[in-house]
Amino acid sequence: QQQVKQSPQSLIVQKGGISIINCAYENTAFDYFPWYQQFPGKGPALLIAIRPDVSEKKEGRFTISFNKSAKQFSLHIMDSQPGDSATYFCAASRIQEYSSASKIIFGSGTRLSIRP
Amino acid sequence: DGGITQSPKYLFRKEGQNVTLSCEQNLNHDAMYWYRQDPGQGLRLIYYSQIVNDFQKGDIAEGYSVSREKKESFPLTVTSAQKNPTAFYLCASSKDGIYGYTFGSGTRLTVV
Repeated sequence: QQQVKQSPQSLIVQKGGISIINCAYENTAFDYFPWYQQFPGKGPALLIAIRPDVSEKKEGRFTISFNKSAKQFSLHIMDSQPGDSATYFCAASRIQEYSSASKIIFGSGTRLSIRP
Repeated sequence: DGGITQSPKYLFRKEGQNVTLSCEQNLNHDAMYWYRQDPGQGLRLIYYSQIVNDFQKGDIAEGYSVSREKKESFPLTVTSAQKNPTAFYLCASSKDGIYGYTFGSGTRLTVV
């Protein structure tokens, strides 16, 4: 119930192509779905996030597509660049409006490499 | 600039020794977290704290201990009871229970 399953484990995309990473969750109580980007030797940084009341959110070249009925969401990176090469984590949590903390469950990560 | 500072960046420990990882934040966040990262396994929650002098176990708390005596600080001790301590350890904080975390740059612990 608490798992977030992420695929693929690794991905190689040509420069200018579209990178797609998929995630699935089980717990229907989750209502916040962030994506994190991590460069080697660094901590993850929040990239983009979505709430389940919308089916798509776009920020620049990054788009989250969300399918509530299928309990799936995906990250699309348009016009992929070598600087996008990093590990990407999808995640899910249940918003706690009256708490200072929320437990975020992370996927296993996707190592993305963009070939020049 | 506000942020989270983890130290040291690299740490070597002999088997049977306890070691403490430091995490300090100046973001005025109430909640702080410790995650462990292993290749192919994502991030797993060790402990988290919502307020000073209070903390809760995460999914893999065995062999670890924490303290939260100050709002800014949340040190993690890896004890000799931790069977496989070699990993990348990440500290994070959050302002509230609505949005995501801010992470530190991590400490890579190696048992030699």
